[in-house]
Amino acid sequence: EDKVVQSPLSLVVHEGDTVTLNCSYEVTNFRSLLWYKQEKKAPTFLFMLTSSGIEKKSGRLSSILDKKELFSILNITATQTGDSAVYLCAVDSINTDKLIFGTGTRLQVFP
Amino acid sequence: DVKVTQSSRYLVKRTGEKVFLECVQDMDHENMFWYRQDPGLGLRLIYFSYDVKMKEKGDIPEGYSVSREKKERFSLILESASTNQTSMYLCASVQGAHYGYTFGSGTRLTVV
Repeated sequence: EDKVVQSPLSLVVHEGDTVTLNCSYEVTNFRSLLWYKQEKKAPTFLFMLTSSGIEKKSGRLSSILDKKELFSILNITATQTGDSAVYLCAVDSINTDKLIFGTGTRLQVFP
Repeated sequence: DVKVTQSSRYLVKRTGEKVFLECVQDMDHENMFWYRQDPGLGLRLIYFSYDVKMKEKGDIPEGYSVSREKKERFSLILESASTNQTSMYLCASVQGAHYGYTFGSGTRLTVV
C-alpha cells in the first residue's frame, strides 16, 4: 500500500532557529513529491520535486529529494513566527492521478 | 487571482441530515478533489473527478457521494450525516500535472 510518513509530528522552536522536516514514502511508480504549507485554511503549494539531488529553494525554504532512499527534507533557516504552520508532504504516482498525503508536521515558532 | 471557493467555512448539522458541500473553481481545471482532514490522519481522499459527470472513488468514499454537473463545480454530498463525519473538508483542483494543487479554504463540518 502506498504511504507517506512525515516526522516529526510536531516541532516547537524559537525565532532564528533552523528546522528540518522529513518526509519518507513508499509509492509504486513514483512521479513527484510536493510540499505544502497550511496555516489556518487552505494548503498553499511550496515545491514540487521530481529529480534526486536537485535542491529547490525559495527564500529561507529549501527542499531536496533522495529517490534512492525514498525521502525528502524541507529546511527552513532563520525561522520566523510567520513560518508557524502545518507542513504537508504529498507524493504522486504514475499509476494514479491522485496525491497521497502524509499526516503533516506542525511547526510552531515562538519569538 | 485564481481561486477555489468553498461555500461555507463552518457548518453544524444534525445526525441524519443530508449535507451538501459546494466547491467552485474559476481556473477551468479539469481535475477536482474532495479531501477530509483529521488530526493525526492527514488528508484523505474521498472522491475525485476528471471531467464533467465523471467521478472516481478515493480512499474513503463510504457515506459520501459527489456531483459534477458543470466543469467549475464539484459538490460533496453526505447522504445521512453521522458524527464520525465531523471533520475539515478541503476541495482542490488542478489542471493536468499535480504541481500546484489549488485548495479551497475548507469547510469545518460538525455533526451533532
